[in-house]
Amino acid sequence: DVVMTQSPLSLPVTLGQPASISCRSSQSLVHSDGDTYLSWFQQRPGQSPRRLIYKVSNRESGVPDRFSGSGSGTDFTLKISRVEAEDVGVYYCMQATDWPFTFGPGTKVDIK
Amino acid sequence: EVQLVESGGGLVQPGESLRLSCEDSGFTFSSYWMSWVRQAPGKGLEWVATISKDGSEKAYVDSVKGRFTISRDNAKKSLYLQMNSLRAEDAAVYYCARVPRAGGSYWGQGTLVSVSS
Repeated sequence: DVVMTQSPLSLPVTLGQPASISCRSSQSLVHSDGDTYLSWFQQRPGQSPRRLIYKVSNRESGVPDRFSGSGSGTDFTLKISRVEAEDVGVYYCMQATDWPFTFGPGTKVDIK
Repeated sequence: EVQLVESGGGLVQPGESLRLSCEDSGFTFSSYWMSWVRQAPGKGLEWVATISKDGSEKAYVDSVKGRFTISRDNAKKSLYLQMNSLRAEDAAVYYCARVPRAGGSYWGQGTLVSVSS
């Protein structure tokens, strides 16, 4: 199985400041079709997960443009340009290139 | 708008069975692969099973193979997860999810499965 790791696991942030989460996979996430199926999810306290980013850098409809994704191969990053209070929660990366799909352990983002 | 509503969770004893259901109130259920994802209390997310648009292809995480069966009824716009021989480690909130490789991801609110004697 593809193992996903994230760092940091806890990220205290200051409102209005940028934040960055790293995600690494144990093998390349480039699919045989040429796409890279790396997604980012946000789970606010008490809520269901919500996908923010798919295929490394594509935002889901309705996701604020302060969220951006980048990376390639085995190294990926989620950036929040200016953290807002509603961004508090746990962020997961997930690969959908190989079965079984696997998630990272999650990064808990809270306000300093 | 797509709305996924799960049901069927509850408290069961180890070794017992449970069937989860998920109903899609939207209009495009049959156009998407569908999945079940679970989250144990205080833990992260785990992909459980996925089924193709017509039900002909299915995939499971190793820990549930041979015990869980995913199925769907496109006429009823419903997804199911038959869970047999439940174990304590299967206790979790189970989410019905549409997570296509492109855009358009939707998740239900989850249904809680508890396994305890």
